[in-house]
Amino acid sequence: RKEVEQDPGPFNVPEGATVAFNCTYSNSASQSFFWYRQDCRKEPKLLMSVYSSGNEDGRFTAQLNRASQYISLLIRDSKLSDSATYLCVVNMRGYSTLTFGKGTMLLVSP
Amino acid sequence: EPEVTQTPSHQVTQMGQEVILRCVPISNHLYFYWYRQILGQKVEFLVSFYNNEISEKSEIFDDQFSVERPDGSNFTLKIRSTKLEDSAMYFCATGAGGSDTQYFGPGTRLTVL
Repeated sequence: RKEVEQDPGPFNVPEGATVAFNCTYSNSASQSFFWYRQDCRKEPKLLMSVYSSGNEDGRFTAQLNRASQYISLLIRDSKLSDSATYLCVVNMRGYSTLTFGKGTMLLVSP
Repeated sequence: EPEVTQTPSHQVTQMGQEVILRCVPISNHLYFYWYRQILGQKVEFLVSFYNNEISEKSEIFDDQFSVERPDGSNFTLKIRSTKLEDSAMYFCATGAGGSDTQYFGPGTRLTVL
């Protein structure tokens, strides 16, 4: 069973649209959760951490459901610059290593 | 804003040759990592390093790989005898604490011919 699963996409949306990505993780010992953003052939960059209570940063909202082992990312009012691959990332309690999903590609068009 | 730097940005080598990839961590960070990403695939953990020793490593990190921090600043990944399948982007990441955010360098693209 894959450790972190994401729909690869691509999600094609027009500017201004709202788009949501989902991610499931298999290891119930997972402790910390993140969304990273990766542009083509660039390094992953932290978008936001995901907390149990849910958290929001501007146009971005992340949710965590530990019971279902499910993480989501909502992007409101999409911009052209949001076009990228969004990586769901977890790490397990007691370990520092990050486990990445394959990513979901987002393409925002004018 | 402080950032992780990596050199070289691109390394081309012949199969069987040794390569050394270099990383300069953010100055107050104590935890260092190497990840790799084969083209079109997910980012994979290789090794973590803390207090001058390996703390965790993955199945990928076999005897051909080694890491060290020779001068207290650079953090290096050595591949002793490269294989074609070692071709990938290699990312260094650093963190202030074990469970803290990891910041990634821009990567070294390794091409093994």
